[in-house]
Amino acid sequence: EADIYQTPRYLVIGTGKKITLECSQTMGHDKMYWYQQDPGMELHLIHYSYGVNSTEKGDLSSESTVSRIRTEHFPLTLESARPSHTSQYLCASSEYRGTQYFGPGTRLLVL
Amino acid sequence: AQKVTQAQTEISVVEKEDVTLDCVYETRDTTYYLFWYKQPPSGELVFLIRRNSFDEQNEISGRYSWNFQKSTSSFNFTITASQVVDSAVYFCALSGPGDTGGYQKVTFGTGTKLQVIP
Repeated sequence: EADIYQTPRYLVIGTGKKITLECSQTMGHDKMYWYQQDPGMELHLIHYSYGVNSTEKGDLSSESTVSRIRTEHFPLTLESARPSHTSQYLCASSEYRGTQYFGPGTRLLVL
Repeated sequence: AQKVTQAQTEISVVEKEDVTLDCVYETRDTTYYLFWYKQPPSGELVFLIRRNSFDEQNEISGRYSWNFQKSTSSFNFTITASQVVDSAVYFCALSGPGDTGGYQKVTFGTGTKLQVIP
């Protein structure tokens, strides 16, 4: 059973606000990921991390930023939210064999 | 380059029918991993199974079974006696062996939406 947590689960916010989506895992996995997905649609990798102080951009260009100061924590920040950022954001972590375990997701609506 | 194709966008079946979800993949790696995930309406992706490229044995877990055929680059998923709770989007995914930094790119298919009608 995977233990990966995301908060908040739902967020409605106005344009221009700064937001941080939290993601934590208790499995000690080095690798963590952020995906953007419209519900039920294709997943797009926006950020990933090999480990502490390691972050890389994914396949889909994103205005968000991430940090990895602790192994268990991988927050995603949007400095100025826009309606185009409305989506579901999924955090995942993986073991060495590559199986990714996902959190429950954050559904973001920017008005 | 990796590619995963799930040609079936949506499937509807009546409860208790069997249904097979198709997955075809492309990769140049000799070592790779294949996965299936389930995404119910709640939004979370639930890991179902992982197979590595050296293990072509089919697997059965309750009403779920998986058929891996390297000769056709396919990793199909069958649900026997479908139930309403099986309604979800199912994603097939492919991962390579990992680069020198340890990063394993995971390529997801576009998903198949399964609706099981009571």
